[in-house]
Amino acid sequence: EAQVTQNPRYLITVTGKKLTVTCSQNMNHEYMSWYRQDPGLGLRQIYYSMNVEVTDKGDVPEGYKVSRKEKRNFPLILESPSPNQTSLYFCASSLRPSSPLHFGNGTRLTVT
Amino acid sequence: AQSVTQLGSHVSVSEGALVLLRCNYSSSVPPYLFWYVQYPNQGLQLLLKYTTGATLVKGINGFEAEFKKSETSFHLTKPSAHMSDAAEYFCAVSDRPHFGNEKLTFGTGTRLTIIP
Repeated sequence: EAQVTQNPRYLITVTGKKLTVTCSQNMNHEYMSWYRQDPGLGLRQIYYSMNVEVTDKGDVPEGYKVSRKEKRNFPLILESPSPNQTSLYFCASSLRPSSPLHFGNGTRLTVT
Repeated sequence: AQSVTQLGSHVSVSEGALVLLRCNYSSSVPPYLFWYVQYPNQGLQLLLKYTTGATLVKGINGFEAEFKKSETSFHLTKPSAHMSDAAEYFCAVSDRPHFGNEKLTFGTGTRLTIIP
């Protein structure tokens, strides 16, 4: 089954404790992207990757890091989380940026 | 730069009534347009898309949308609402490949409530 898998689904952490949210897709997609969803703001892009070893900033990259060492995986790293990073995060993939996106089920992060 | 405006963050309709969710976009080059739906505790899934050709696009679950270039609109409709349509709906725009920035820009979403 074609899917984008994110883990964990729920995460509660404290300020400053490094964390990683994993994302994996099994569709051989070149394009992958991370979004955060906040009430009233819709989805905002954090980082994206056009292919292995090619990543770039989206609209709200501050406080986040990503890597793309393999085509299928695109982890999101918060090296020193802060409360304003409390949000719902989605990973997505597609053939190219303008192609329909396949989304994971989301990771709800709470930073206290 | 592209932008998307969804009019109405919350829309309520009675079961069986017409659903109309509004989306206006701005883009300096020919756009691709999308509607995504998000059910509770799930990720977004594609409802329908417009790329080229026929301006009336049909999607899943009886939804359709019409691309109106003169009005820069891509409103989503369904003739008869069902309880299972309750969800959040997102309009999105990107430039066409080779025309500009292919990045997908999302609207802020419209939460649809169905009244029994």
